[in-house]
Amino acid sequence: DAGITQSPRHKVTETGTPVTLRCHQTENHRYMYWYRQDPGHGLRLIHYSYGVKDTDKGEVSDGYSVSRSKTEDFLLTLESATSSQTSVYFCAIRTVSSGANVLTFGAGSRLTVL
Amino acid sequence: AQSVTQPDIHITVSEGASLELRCNYSYGATPYLFWYVQSPGQGLQLLLKYFSGDTLVQGIKGFEAEFKRSQSSFNLRKPSVHWSDAAEYFCAVGSVRSNDYKLSFGAGTTVTVRA
Repeated sequence: DAGITQSPRHKVTETGTPVTLRCHQTENHRYMYWYRQDPGHGLRLIHYSYGVKDTDKGEVSDGYSVSRSKTEDFLLTLESATSSQTSVYFCAIRTVSSGANVLTFGAGSRLTVL
Repeated sequence: AQSVTQPDIHITVSEGASLELRCNYSYGATPYLFWYVQSPGQGLQLLLKYFSGDTLVQGIKGFEAEFKRSQSSFNLRKPSVHWSDAAEYFCAVGSVRSNDYKLSFGAGTTVTVRA
């Protein structure tokens, strides 16, 4: 997975509790992304980062915040989890393949909010 | 805004038969286009990409895709499907600006392969 580690891989939590998902990369890539995957919706961008402390919103950012205090880590936080945030979350990094920019994805984190 | 439509939610194909998955995109300029595959319980793997040049691109696992600007399409094909091709396939379009690079995905097409 191109040096991308997501943790935890599985988490069950209760409505109203805070949750933080971590994405760690080992290859010093500048761009990192958080997507969520839901049936019938494919992958939707939550937030992305283009450098340390530089982040921007994606199409489904409500209820989520992110932080990037160092190049290798991109954290996704659900301040107060809701059942609608039950999903599989994928982290991605921008890499280069045959001279072109592509996204390389982590293995995913499955979050269940009860 | 960029967007992708995959008209087929689910396709069933016999092993050895050909496969074509449809993808239509919306983007204001020449797009970057991708196909990813996701096997059950796995992450996403890049099958192929189109950036410029030859409109027929070859990918891994025997897949190819053709970019047709006039139809805003980027359909994925494989001449002979193997049982291991059963998976979910996602088409994606990317913005060209390198300082605002992100991908938008279609809803996916699930492929079932029958013996």
